[in-house]
Amino acid sequence: SYELTQPPSVSVSPGQTARITCSADALPKQYAYWYQQKPGQAPVLVIYKDSERPSGIPERFSGSSSGTTVTLTISGVQAEDEADYYCQSADSSGTYVFGTGTKVTVL
Amino acid sequence: EVQLVESGGGLVQPGGSLRLSCAASGFTFSSYEMNWVRQAPGKGLEWVSYISSSGSTIYYADSVKGRFTISRDNAKNSLYLQMNSLRAEDTAVYYCAREGGYSYGYAFDIWGQGTMVTVSS
Repeated sequence: SYELTQPPSVSVSPGQTARITCSADALPKQYAYWYQQKPGQAPVLVIYKDSERPSGIPERFSGSSSGTTVTLTISGVQAEDEADYYCQSADSSGTYVFGTGTKVTVL
Repeated sequence: EVQLVESGGGLVQPGGSLRLSCAASGFTFSSYEMNWVRQAPGKGLEWVSYISSSGSTIYYADSVKGRFTISRDNAKNSLYLQMNSLRAEDTAVYYCAREGGYSYGYAFDIWGQGTMVTVSS
């Protein structure tokens, strides 16, 4: 089955840049999406179509894609960005898969 | 306000059944594909099921295929998940989520607050 692999954790100091990778184990890669989830809350979409940002999401959130790896970048990290982040994509049969999740800690 | 509200969660014994509901408001429900996503305690997100806007196309994760049934009633602006033969590993918060359509690349742009399902004797 299709798998998306993320690093379990990323630690970053306030004002620095956090980069979270999401690697697919096979081609072709469909569009990727990124969600932020804070404790006790539902996920929130922060990036769609690999690099597009929904309205209301701060500009410090950006996405990029290269081959079978997509990356979520948070520039100028703020304390409020501490959360779990999940990538998501679809396999060739049209079913969805989420990445393993990354906990971002702001030091 | 665009909103999804889940209900129907609770405690159920292994082998039992439960029906979850998701009430949509603030948008034209019949125009959007919908999904169920679950999250076991302390674990990551797991996609469960998809249904097209008309209900004609349905997909399931292998982990629930043959046990869960997704459906919708566009006249009632509601999404459902019938869960049968429940197992301990089905214990999770269940979220309904809207697909944002072509312009969003079908990302899940709206999520409910979730309803907890606990399978235990």
